Parts: sequence; structure tokens; C-alpha cells
Amino acid sequence: GAVVSQHPSRVICKSGTSVKIECRSLDFQATTMFWYRQFPKKSLMLMATSNEGSKATYEQGVEKDKFLINHASLTLSTLTVTSAHPEDSSFYICSAPPGLSTDTQYFGPGTRLTVL
Amino acid sequence: AQSVAQPEDQVNVAEGNPLTVKCTYSVSGNPYLFWYVQYPNRGLQFLLKYITGDNLVKGSYGFEAEFNKSQTSFHLKKPSALVSDSALYFCAVRDGNSGNTPLVFGKGTRLSVIA
Repeated sequence: GAVVSQHPSRVICKSGTSVKIECRSLDFQATTMFWYRQFPKKSLMLMATSNEGSKATYEQGVEKDKFLINHASLTLSTLTVTSAHPEDSSFYICSAPPGLSTDTQYFGPGTRLTVL
Repeated sequence: AQSVAQPEDQVNVAEGNPLTVKCTYSVSGNPYLFWYVQYPNRGLQFLLKYITGDNLVKGSYGFEAEFNKSQTSFHLKKPSALVSDSALYFCAVRDGNSGNTPLVFGKGTRLSVIA
């Protein structure tokens, strides 16, 4: 199946710093990518939809100035957590649908963010 | 709007026994249904999906699921559980009439297979 990568897989940072997470589709182009957040022992919550060539669409309650999303190319979307705080510590997962709506959405391996 | 319910937080089953992980859904349009598995500190791995056609869908690692439109269910099953099947399982739905939209996930069911 299609491959989606994320980098880094794990990051620890100090409170107040910014962290960038990359999501890449390795063998297909993705005009749309989705960013999810998963709390411990909880389900995945959609944060935003990343659109190549246009602004991201954020879900209700997600601060767009805190979670900056840039869809730089057809294979790369980045999520930057700005001025991170301990409550931002979480598991962030991206996904990319290959093309047709009937296609399977493939997920990246996730990024574990820990803010001290 | 779409929603998914996984009524069981935890399912315990003995190795070799059949397992069922329950899922019901609500969608206004055409349901596209998915099952994913997650191992600790890992992303989601695709197991199977129902888009159209035969109600019984076979997927990876011997798993299967049956789409039941009247009961709006899509339970995951396996005839004989393995200890290595122990993981967190997510059911997800998307409205097939709405284009390439994100998946809506259930809260997940933790499966524990005991040797």
C-alpha cells in the first residue's frame, strides 16, 4: 500500500519553543492531508485539513495560530506547534488519501511530542 | 455528520478462540467503513474496508468484517485469535457522497488475547 512518513518520530522540547513535524507521502501525490491528535488511551481527533496551494481548514476549537500548517508541495505537509506548552504534549498523526474517495487513507507512524 | 460507536473499551479473549470487536456507525450518505489497528506508540495500520459489494469483507492478518446496513454495524471478527493480535482497534467511517473527507473514528477497543 501507499506509504506516508513522519519526521521526527519523537521530540522533546522546552516550554515556549516551537516544533515542526513533517508528513510526506512517499509514492503518491496528495493534494489533501489530514492532521490528527491522539491523547493517551483516546481516539484520534481531527485537527485540520491541509490543502496544497491554499490555507488549511481547522476544526472547531483548534487554534490556527498555535498549530501552523503548511502544505508546501504535493508530497509534503508540515505542522508547527508554536510556543509549545506541556498541555500540547500528545501523539500527532497525519494521513493522506491517495486520490479517489474510495481509496484507503494511509497514516504516518506518528510523532510523540513531549513538552517539558 | 458522521459518528462511530465502539461500545467496548476492552475485549478479552483466549488464544485460539474467535474474537469480535463491535462497531456501529451513523452517516447521512453512503457509508465507507474502515478498520485500523494500532500497536503501542505506532501509527495506524489498515486492516480492511467496506465500500460496496459483498457485505463480508476479508482483510489483513485473517481479520474480516461484516457490513450490516439494517443494523448499521460493521463488526470486526477473526475465527481464531493470536496473542500477537493484542492491540488497539479503531473503526472509522466516511460519507462516500462527500468526496475525499477525513475519517471519523470510534474511541477504540483494546483487544487482549491471553495465552
